Amino acid sequence: GAGVSQSPSNKVTEKGKDVELRCDPISGHTALYWYRQSLGQGLEFLIYFQGNSAPDKSGLPSDRFSAERTGGSVSTLTIQRTQQEDSAVYLCASSLRLAGGSYEQYFGPGTRLTVT
Amino acid sequence: GDSVTQMEGPVTLSEEAFLTINCTYTATGYPSLFWYVQYPGEGLQLLLKATKADDKGSNKGFEATYRKETTSFHLEKGSVQVSDSAVYFCALSSLDTGRRALTFGSGTRLQVQP
Repeated sequence: GAGVSQSPSNKVTEKGKDVELRCDPISGHTALYWYRQSLGQGLEFLIYFQGNSAPDKSGLPSDRFSAERTGGSVSTLTIQRTQQEDSAVYLCASSLRLAGGSYEQYFGPGTRLTVT
Repeated sequence: GDSVTQMEGPVTLSEEAFLTINCTYTATGYPSLFWYVQYPGEGLQLLLKATKADDKGSNKGFEATYRKETTSFHLEKGSVQVSDSAVYFCALSSLDTGRRALTFGSGTRLQVQP
């Protein structure tokens, strides 16, 4: 079946502009995650959605970052007033609870964001 | 908090050499452990996993054993190929937090020469 998809694949924006990044998880996966991959910081967790529960926003680096997940499926990560340090690859993953309680996350190809 | 430490790269090997990439972790409770691989120009792919102590994950000739006593999950392969050249990430998922988001190591770049 189809994997996790993300759009756009690349985004170049000017400092101070807002951007929206989209993630379509694997159908039926109840959990959705956003991560950021940058040269200086490696792979960092940003936010986690599980079903209808309140999201875990503990990884968001500032209040310029927000995310929503509509209908338990598609998610949008929004960065307001972008800064150059926001330049990174933004990764989305989805997962399903497996027997025994483990979760296996499947990653999308990422959106490469460049802030000029 | 949770953390993962893996050996720095790059690791450069000749084809058919033995590979070990060390990974140790710090976590509360009993995490699940993973190795992810990122081939050039591609996204992260799950390579193997282990969910409890002494479990061995294996895939594509790679193996890693969950060692609770040494808090380690070292990745091994007996004979590497040029096509194994990639960046390898060790990660853990802490069930106790309920979040199950992954905490990643910094990644180890493997370069296999013909």
